Amino acid sequence: QQQVKQSPQSLIVQKGGISIINCAYENTAFDYFPWYQQFPGKGPALLIAIRPDVSEKKEGRFTISFNKSAKQFSLHIMDSQPGDSATYFCAASKGGGSQGNLIFGKGTKLSVKP
Amino acid sequence: DTEVTQTPKHLVMGMTNKKSLKCEQHMGHRAMYWYKQKAKKPPELMFVYSYEKLSINESVPSRFSPECPNSSLLNLHLHALQPEDSALYLCASSQSPGVTEAFFGQGTRLTVV
Repeated sequence: QQQVKQSPQSLIVQKGGISIINCAYENTAFDYFPWYQQFPGKGPALLIAIRPDVSEKKEGRFTISFNKSAKQFSLHIMDSQPGDSATYFCAASKGGGSQGNLIFGKGTKLSVKP
Repeated sequence: DTEVTQTPKHLVMGMTNKKSLKCEQHMGHRAMYWYKQKAKKPPELMFVYSYEKLSINESVPSRFSPECPNSSLLNLHLHALQPEDSALYLCASSQSPGVTEAFFGQGTRLTVV
């Protein structure tokens, strides 16, 4: 049973456009939602993360929107650049003294065309 | 410094070989993890070490044997692997098991021939 569903599987955006990647989760015990960026042959890099007590978090061109009632969260990349071309993974985790294991979505391959 | 260092970067081994993957972090983190990632797939959790003790083993075959010599080091010993074990092996660490901000290393690309 997939606990974190991510869409789309792939995304092509023109330079300067907005990239939007969506994730939905099932387990209401999740309380930490990070996004990771991964370039080919490299390890995932933590991009931005949010907790359920806020509905939006922005860091530079990257914004997470969080809808607790719908159990959905999304990553928006503003002014997308060719250097943003990578695979993006959303994830969810239970913290608060537990093991904090990350449950990953299946990933979205983003291509930003010049 | 948010660096997790993994060695080697690439490894080719035969099915009868014994090899080890190494991971090191100097962030003072007390939780360390091994993940396996196949091509075009998300990372899959293998092991969790919490305060140098193995706390989670996600039903990983015994041909994979983790070891945590101290709080900064994590090893993964490999023996009698199969070609389907070829993957990117990722090490990660977090401040403690209850803190979920995890930092990943660059991974070891393992090929079993």
